[in-house]
Amino acid sequence: DAKTTQPNSMESNEEEPVHLPCNHSTISGTDYIHWYRQLPSQGPEYVIHGLTSNVNNRMASLAIAEDRKSSTLILHRATLRDAAVYYCILRRTNAGGTSYGKLTFGQGTILTVHP
Amino acid sequence: DTAVSQTPKYLVTQMGNDKSIKCEQNLGHDTMYWYKQDSKKFLKIMFSYNNKELIINETVPNRFSPKSPDKAHLNLHINSLELGDSAVYFCASSSLTGFSVAFFGQGTRLTVV
Repeated sequence: DAKTTQPNSMESNEEEPVHLPCNHSTISGTDYIHWYRQLPSQGPEYVIHGLTSNVNNRMASLAIAEDRKSSTLILHRATLRDAAVYYCILRRTNAGGTSYGKLTFGQGTILTVHP
Repeated sequence: DTAVSQTPKYLVTQMGNDKSIKCEQNLGHDTMYWYKQDSKKFLKIMFSYNNKELIINETVPNRFSPKSPDKAHLNLHINSLELGDSAVYFCASSSLTGFSVAFFGQGTRLTVV
């Protein structure tokens, strides 16, 4: 599985935007960029995903570099409930190959949000 | 309704015992997974079943045996528990047909004493 690199931790103030970076220089053409987050004492939850174009949903935005070697998860207005570990993961788009949809988690970025 | 539910949420047991963790999903997914999160918070896949067939079996001691009676259930049985088995175990489900995100359960915190 292609590897991703994220900062160990980041801090933000409430109501401010947060940009969480992720490097994935060995990404292949069939890899989607997924973001999951894990709130304290909970299981991981899906945030957003993309392939080449920038993506927006109700939770966040995903900005993908033109060469796809990096991406940035954007939380437009951080709240205290956004404090979590954020994981950037590369995942094959379908069942082809031997990945079978599994998620390979790295260490993630611990996001602290200050009131 | 909880999409992916695990029982029990907490499990404290002595070394050498045998225990099971149950998982059920009501999302209609065809694939279920077990992940382990150790004390350093690393999440790692252990097993995956697709339509009751084992498709992923990472390097896990054979004391761990998953069982899938149907595609909505994936249980994890652990024999001869050891101190190092203490961790949080997460069940997840997704679909391998088309695009599907993975949904995770709330986790089972296993403590072996």
